[in-house]
Amino acid sequence: KAGVTQTPRYLIKTRGQQVTLSCSPISGHRSVSWYQQTPGQGLQFLFEYFSETQRNKGNFPGRFSGRQFSNSRSEMNVSTLELGDSALYLCASSLAGMVSTDTQYFGPGTRLTVL
Amino acid sequence: GENVEQHPSTLSVQEGDSAVIKCTYSDSASNYFPWYKQELGKGPQLIIDIRSNVGEKKDQRIAVTLNKTAKHFSLHITETQPEDSAVYFCAVCTTGGGNKLTFGTGTQLKVEL
Repeated sequence: KAGVTQTPRYLIKTRGQQVTLSCSPISGHRSVSWYQQTPGQGLQFLFEYFSETQRNKGNFPGRFSGRQFSNSRSEMNVSTLELGDSALYLCASSLAGMVSTDTQYFGPGTRLTVL
Repeated sequence: GENVEQHPSTLSVQEGDSAVIKCTYSDSASNYFPWYKQELGKGPQLIIDIRSNVGEKKDQRIAVTLNKTAKHFSLHITETQPEDSAVYFCAVCTTGGGNKLTFGTGTQLKVEL
């Protein structure tokens, strides 16, 4: 079974631009969560989607948004990019999402660099 | 919200020795405790997890222990090998929090020959 895939793997943008990242979960998984990883702040939860609905949200500004499609694929968007948005963005999928102890599997991440 | 502390931040051991990484958490409602291994340029890989109704779980050279009363859990790696060198993260999931994981700050494990 294929793992979680994320595209693109690397991205370079300039301040003020916007960016869209994509995540395809493991087949059959319905929950997709997004995390930001930086050397200074570590791994931080952005949001979670289940059945096309945002179910949980972390403490990030409204410039960070996401959505999920009927096939469970998810995208996250960051508008008006800032230098501090440079990070590794990780997507994780889990089977059902209705149980709080569901195992999450991570993709390889998208490395975003903002210049 | 949940707060997770992880120690040590770096750990260097000789090949064949054991390694122990400890995490403490703040929310007594937390009920799921996974450990992830992250190698350079890759996403975190689940290596073992434990749920609140179990005190210890073992998978070959890796074991995790959970003390809910003291709100801490530990990762034990025995007979370490060079390929165990990586960054290890503990995480916590809280009842009612959906699938939100709160991560520790990571431990850089180096296994020396």
